[in-house]
Amino acid sequence: EPEVTQTPSHQVTQMGQEVILRCVPISNHLYFYWYRQILGQKVEFLVSFYNNEISEKSEIFDDQFSVERPDGSNFTLKIRSTKLEDSAMYFCASSERLALYNEQFFGPGTRLTVL
Amino acid sequence: RKEVEQDPGPFNVPEGATVAFNCTYSNSASQSFFWYRQDCRKEPKLLMSVYSSGNEDGRFTAQLNRASQYISLLIRDSKLSDSATYLCVVSSPTNTDKLIFGTGTRLQVFP
Repeated sequence: EPEVTQTPSHQVTQMGQEVILRCVPISNHLYFYWYRQILGQKVEFLVSFYNNEISEKSEIFDDQFSVERPDGSNFTLKIRSTKLEDSAMYFCASSERLALYNEQFFGPGTRLTVL
Repeated sequence: RKEVEQDPGPFNVPEGATVAFNCTYSNSASQSFFWYRQDCRKEPKLLMSVYSSGNEDGRFTAQLNRASQYISLLIRDSKLSDSATYLCVVSSPTNTDKLIFGTGTRLQVFP
């Protein structure tokens, strides 16, 4: 069964450093997303991406964040200068189409720890 | 008022029990509704979509009441493997691919 993959599974970084989280969405999917979940809290939408551009972003997704699809398979989330409060699990998701009841498939997540 | 509100639980039930979870959402213009399941430190996985007419998938039944802005999930004949956190999820009224999650209801099924 096709699945979304994410690397690394755990990233530890120092405050102020840049990190890049990587995702490989399911191959025939066209819509891509990043969500985050701070430990003990709810899953929160960060950004959606389609046709090589951001379609929507949340207020969390400020100028420190960026997304890119550098080639036909990878989808990345970059945090330019990490803060302690960026520590969270980051989930990538993808879906085949945009529809009222489209299923978003989530990757296993990258746990980001900012020290 | 929270966008999606759930009782955090935990619900501790014996195997074979029937358990029901409820969820309310604040924006009446929301268009699509889901239950996701999340195991500890894992990704959310779609359990079922919730349609206006209600729907059933094996031991799981979901209902939607648009007038009350209320969604429910019923699990019959609970199994140990049902132990997880159940997330009520609603799509944004302005963008159906932006999912809004509740904090989840934790279920623990014991032998």
